[in-house]
Amino acid sequence: QVQLVESGGGVVQPGRSLRLSCAASGFTFSNHGIHWVRQAPGKGLEWVAVIWYDGSNKYYADSVKGRFTISRDNSKNTLYLQMNSLRADDTGMYYCARDPQLSSSCPDYWGQGTLVAVSS
Amino acid sequence: QSALTQPASVSGSPGQSITISCTGTSSDVGGYNYVSWYQQHPGKAPKFMIYDVSNRPSGVSNRFSGSKSGNTASLTISGLQAEDEADYYCSSYTSSGTTVFGGGTKLTVL
Repeated sequence: QVQLVESGGGVVQPGRSLRLSCAASGFTFSNHGIHWVRQAPGKGLEWVAVIWYDGSNKYYADSVKGRFTISRDNSKNTLYLQMNSLRADDTGMYYCARDPQLSSSCPDYWGQGTLVAVSS
Repeated sequence: QSALTQPASVSGSPGQSITISCTGTSSDVGGYNYVSWYQQHPGKAPKFMIYDVSNRPSGVSNRFSGSKSGNTASLTISGLQAEDEADYYCSSYTSSGTTVFGGGTKLTVL
């Protein structure tokens, strides 16, 4: 069965960096785009970024463009999110989610999330 | 990258049907058949219920159905059950290559 397991969350000070990971199993990782989606406490879902199956294309939400970088290692079935210049409004649960396409459309299967708290 | 518009809340009694709307533009909902719906219970990860406007993944009850007309997509839940009480989100692919979510709708089963 499709499984996505996020890790790397924690408490970090404003302006610092954090790298999230997402380990995938149960499907052919290199045949799917993968998304990052976040959810601030008590708020709705916010799309963050997507990377195509081969890493050739990456797209970002305006709110993170220039600060966050999505990447993948298909040899390790792992997705990453490098988050720099973190701000308080980056606080929330970060989910990785598979796209059914090689490129991107809308996510289908989701991980359980990893919590990021940006606070001094 | 404006969020899709959903009603903040809807409610219905057990056995009734409800519909949740999701309004976008011709650059997202109206322009592509990549519209999905998700159910999220408190403290849990979202679960996809509908994909490509009207398709149901295996294991999802046929009480859930999706449709689209112009720039508005809809999720209908028939035969409401207590377990359907949750937050529901729509999403759409956009012409910019990104994905956008709706603001979410809280469903209360009375």
